[in-house]
Parts: sequence; C-alpha cells; structure tokens
Amino acid sequence: GAVVSQHPSWVICKSGTSVKIECRSLDFQATTMFWYRQFPKQSLMLMATSNEGSKATYEQGVEKDKFLINHASLTLSTLTVTSAHPEDSSFYICSARAVGAFFGQGTRLTVV
Amino acid sequence: GENVEQHPSTLSVQEGDSAVIKCTYSDSASNYFPWYKQELGKGPQLIIDIRSNVGEKKDQRIAVTLNKTAKHFSLHITETQPEDSAVYFCAATEGDNQGGKLIFGQGTELSVKP
Repeated sequence: GAVVSQHPSWVICKSGTSVKIECRSLDFQATTMFWYRQFPKQSLMLMATSNEGSKATYEQGVEKDKFLINHASLTLSTLTVTSAHPEDSSFYICSARAVGAFFGQGTRLTVV
Repeated sequence: GENVEQHPSTLSVQEGDSAVIKCTYSDSASNYFPWYKQELGKGPQLIIDIRSNVGEKKDQRIAVTLNKTAKHFSLHITETQPEDSAVYFCAATEGDNQGGKLIFGQGTELSVKP
C-alpha cells in the first residue's frame, strides 16, 4: 500500500511553546490530507481536512488559530499546535488518500 | 452527518477461532468502508476495504461483507493468531465522496489467547 510518513513520532514541549508535526505522502501525491486526534482508548476524531494550495477545513469545535495547518505541496502537510497546553497532549495522526486511505505512524505530543 | 457504530468493544477468542466485528452506518450515500488495525502507540494500518458496488471481499484470513440495504458491514478474521491482537476500527465515508473524510467506529479490542 501507499506510505504516509509522519514526523516526529513523539515530542515533549513546554507549556506555551509551539510544535510542528509533518505529514508526507512518500510514493503518491495527495491533494487532500486529514488530521486526527486520538485520546487513550478512544477512537480517532477528525480535526481538519488539509487542502493543497488552499485553507484547511476545520471540524466543529476545533480552534483553527490553535491548530494551524499548511498544505504547501502535494506531498506535505503540517500541523502546528500553537501555545500548547497540557490539555493538548494527545496522539495526533495524519491520513492521505491514495487508492485507499492510509495513515502515518502518529505523533505522541506531551505538553509539560 | 455520518454516524458509525461498532460492536463489540472488546472481543476475546482462542487461537485458531474466528472473530467477527460488526459496524453500522447512518449515511446511505457512504460508498467506501475501510478497516484498520491499530497496535499500541502506532498509527492505524489499513487491512482491508470495500466499496459500495461490492458485497464481499476477501484477503487470505480476512474478509469484509457489506449490506448496503441494512447499512452494515462486518470484518471476519479466520484462524486467529496471537499477533492479530490489537484494536480494530471500522470507518465509512461521509457522503459519496470516496476521497472525502472518514468517520470512525469506536473500536474493538481483540485479544487472541494462545
């Protein structure tokens, strides 16, 4: 299947700082990528749809100014968690669509 | 919008037995139904998917069935092995855009006992 690479796999940051997570489609182009958030023992919750060359579409309840999404090319989307707080600690996962829907390895964010 | 319900939430089987996980969806326009296996600390891995023009699909020990009339689909794992132990998620597209966003079920924690 298609490969989606996410980096970093884990990050620890101080409260108030910003963290950038990268999502790359390695062997295919993706005009659309998706960002999910997952709390322990829970399902994946869609945060936003990242569209190449245009603004992201955010799900209801997701703060667009806090979770900045940039889809600058057909193979790269980034999620920046701005002014992170402990409640932002979570597992963030990106997805891109090829023939199927493939996911990155996820990023464990811990805000201390 | 789309709503996906998944059952059971936990499933324990003996090695070699079969496991069945069921999902229902609400959006009759949905046309793409993937299944994912997620191991602890990792991203979901696509294991099989089915599109609305097909009623059944099989890949070795894994099969998926789709009943569009009843709006439900199921994952069947035969001859289970301990390495099948993981959390499994079903998903369905919102609307008829196969490239659109996926809505996930709540997950099933499968435990295969040797």
